[in-house]
Amino acid sequence: DIVMTQSPDSLAVSLGERATINCKSSQSVLDNSNDKNYLGWYQQKPGQPPKLLISWASTRESGVPDRFSGSGSGTDFTLTISSLQAEDVAVYYCQQYYGAPFTFGPGTRVAIK
Amino acid sequence: QVQLQESGPGLVKPSETLSLTCAVSRSSISSDYYWAWIRQPPGKGLEWIGSVYHSGTTYYNPSLKSRVTISIDTSKNHFSLKVTSVTTADTAVYYCASHRLLYMSFDSWGQGMVVTVSS
Repeated sequence: DIVMTQSPDSLAVSLGERATINCKSSQSVLDNSNDKNYLGWYQQKPGQPPKLLISWASTRESGVPDRFSGSGSGTDFTLTISSLQAEDVAVYYCQQYYGAPFTFGPGTRVAIK
Repeated sequence: QVQLQESGPGLVKPSETLSLTCAVSRSSISSDYYWAWIRQPPGKGLEWIGSVYHSGTTYYNPSLKSRVTISIDTSKNHFSLKVTSVTTADTAVYYCASHRLLYMSFDSWGQGMVVTVSS
């Protein structure tokens, strides 16, 4: 299985400041045949299901604010919230879909400082 | 966008079978999508249980494969999950979800169904 790790476990950021979450996979999730990274990012607010924010490591889903961005390749990835808003308080998960079983990171909790 | 809604018993006794159904709306379950079950134990992270294609082809997480069956009913536009011989470790919120390709992110999710395993 591909093991996903995230850092930090939690972070507190002031409103309007940048939040950065890291995700690492135990093996590369880059398919060299199509140059795609099989990595997604999800946001989960309390009592709600996860919501897909970013696919293919950096492609924002329709309707997702452009303050959310994804980057990275191979085994190391980053989700950045450029200017934290109150409604961004949530747990964020990365997930690989390069190989089954599809696996998620343990999550990073984002709070307001 | 696809809408998904889980249903089933919220309480299951140890050693019995957990059965859930996911109703699909705003899309035909026979469309070119994969349909998945994912669970989240209380206070913990997400675990993919398995996925099914409209042809009935299934893909399971090896960690659960011996106890899990996912099936699809095109006439009712829903798909189902069965987990046999449950223990308290199977207590979780169970989500159904969809993905356009097998190797693709989960783009739509149901609201989730809390299932507690307890005598």
